[in-house]
Amino acid sequence: KQEVTQIPAALSVPEGENLVLNCSFTDSAIYNLQWFRQDPGKGLTSLLLIQSSQREQTSGRLNASLDKSSGRSTLYIAASQPGDSATYLCAPGDAGNTPLVFGKGTRLSVIA
Amino acid sequence: DAGVTQSPTHLIKTRGQQVTLRCSPKSGHDTVSWYQQALGQGPQFIFQYYEEEERQRGNFPDRFSGHQFPNYSSELNVNALLLGDSALYLCASSLNTGALKNGYTFGSGTRLTVV
Repeated sequence: KQEVTQIPAALSVPEGENLVLNCSFTDSAIYNLQWFRQDPGKGLTSLLLIQSSQREQTSGRLNASLDKSSGRSTLYIAASQPGDSATYLCAPGDAGNTPLVFGKGTRLSVIA
Repeated sequence: DAGVTQSPTHLIKTRGQQVTLRCSPKSGHDTVSWYQQALGQGPQFIFQYYEEEERQRGNFPDRFSGHQFPNYSSELNVNALLLGDSALYLCASSLNTGALKNGYTFGSGTRLTVV
């Protein structure tokens, strides 16, 4: 059974800092991994989707890496802004339409 | 291109009542999954519908049931509501043959409060 852990649970940084969010998963037999952003009380917005054959995926100031064999993924946010404040969730995908398994996420606060 | 649409956005129900939540998938998607997210927790999988049938189910009681219509839209029904059913309910759509490549798209959720 897939289990996902995200560290840290919460993070507060001053505006402009670069930061790294960590995601670990127990079953490395995954096909992809998706990073999401969630604003308070809102739905999930997909940020990046990394295929198991890829090691990195970039979108703007965001860069996600995947080390499938060690069961780890990181989300790097460059030059953080107050608008980046949200909860970030990762979800490994096993196969086809296998349900996503989530951790509790990392709650990020970027202080102006 | 419309994303995933959920209705209503907020709902207040009394313990013991029944509730129906609705979801329209992203255009071109044919698979709908439902998740429950309690405050401070990650989303938990309830069930998934494809070709109008429940294909997979998480660890939720039979009070939770669903339906998928020919146009791929879906409903989540919860009977005999308990206080513990208060949560954000999320709908996610995907393409059966493309989830690996394109991932899942989530709606904005329905906030259910049981009093």
